Amino acid sequence: SQQGEEDPQALSIQEGENATMNCSYKTSINNLQWYRQNSGRGLVHLILIRSNEREKHSGRLRVTLDTSKKSSSLLITASRAADTASYFCATDAEGAQKLVFGQGTRLTINP
Amino acid sequence: NAGVTQTPKFRVLKTGQSMTLLCAQDMNHEYMYWYRQDPGMGLRLIHYSVGEGTTAKGEVPDGYNVSRLKKQNFLLGLESAAPSQTSVYFCASSYLQQNYEQYFGPGTRLTVT
Repeated sequence: SQQGEEDPQALSIQEGENATMNCSYKTSINNLQWYRQNSGRGLVHLILIRSNEREKHSGRLRVTLDTSKKSSSLLITASRAADTASYFCATDAEGAQKLVFGQGTRLTINP
Repeated sequence: NAGVTQTPKFRVLKTGQSMTLLCAQDMNHEYMYWYRQDPGMGLRLIHYSVGEGTTAKGEVPDGYNVSRLKKQNFLLGLESAAPSQTSVYFCASSYLQQNYEQYFGPGTRLTVT
């Protein structure tokens, strides 16, 4: 069964606007990661947030984690055309030896 | 450093044929993974390895075999390809354990007719 599920499945915004994507998961985790995938390419790691952290920043990215609600959000501020990609959350079920990826959010930034 | 490389980039097989996908990493990572990605289904783990000489099953292992004879290489084999194995295959590796970030290869697009 899917551990992480992203919402929305697709998001289209204007350049310069902020984009927010959400991820929900089902079981306790050690950490949650976000990845980006440009069309036809492999995934690229963006940010990792541990279960004892609530918020983390990296450049224009802000990730929050609410373990009580089993959810995370990825905020991209001041979006650019180059941010057009699919974004995936990945979780490790506590004690498991693997990551489970969600189905992704397809983000389109319109110029 | 090349990072994670995969060969081939594209392949078309007929049903019943066999092939091996090669993944190589030059980062001295212990963990390596094979995923498949299908439209609307995200990535699903096929097999993974926690070190040279070890392999373990992931979420969708049926129809695939793997080997990790050398630390830097992880091979994925299809003994008798089926149309249901048409997919994009990604290899990834990580340092020490799965809770660290994974580095992905560029993918192999496989079509089985």
